[in-house]
Amino acid sequence: EDQVTQSPEALRLQEGESSSLNCSYTVSGLRGLFWYRQDPGKGPEFLFTLYSAGEEKEKERLKATLTKKESFLHITAPKPEDSATYLCAVQAPGGYQKVTFGTGTKLQVIP
Amino acid sequence: DTAVSQTPKYLVTQMGNDKSIKCEQNLGHDTMYWYKQDSKKFLKIMFSYNNKELIINETVPNRFSPKSPDKAHLNLHINSLELGDSAVYFCASSRLNEKLFFGSGTQLSVL
Repeated sequence: EDQVTQSPEALRLQEGESSSLNCSYTVSGLRGLFWYRQDPGKGPEFLFTLYSAGEEKEKERLKATLTKKESFLHITAPKPEDSATYLCAVQAPGGYQKVTFGTGTKLQVIP
Repeated sequence: DTAVSQTPKYLVTQMGNDKSIKCEQNLGHDTMYWYKQDSKKFLKIMFSYNNKELIINETVPNRFSPKSPDKAHLNLHINSLELGDSAVYFCASSRLNEKLFFGSGTQLSVL
């Protein structure tokens, strides 16, 4: 069965203090690895899809990278508005495949 | 103009009651989903429909029954509600096997 483990569970950063979130996964093949952001009281919002090892994607202060066993979400010089829970998810290839989510990293950026 | 809308936002009910949650998407997607998010923020898929056909049916009690009257709607009916059903339920939609668009969630509290 597909498994996704995210660490740390919670992360507190000072504004401007860069860091990384980790997503380790076990899946029989990989169709795609997804990163979502979830704000309190809202549904997850899509950030990135990565398809193969070595791939990188960037959006503002966020950069996602992928290896064969894990993905990192790097946050450069975070701002308080980056505070949210970041969810990682994987999908196996072939036919109709469910997306398996991790339990997320709750990020708090302090001014 | 909300892309994925679900109602109600909050649902408070007594054990043993029957309730429904409605979901509609205006993105033209062919696949819709129901996810359950527990108190630890773990997001787990329950059901998925593609073009009104059930394609993913996870291990969910028979008390939960999805219904897709058309491609833009996916409703969730829950019979004989139990305390353990308390959670946040998210509707989502996508093109098949692509990124998910989530609704804002329905917080169900069973007393």
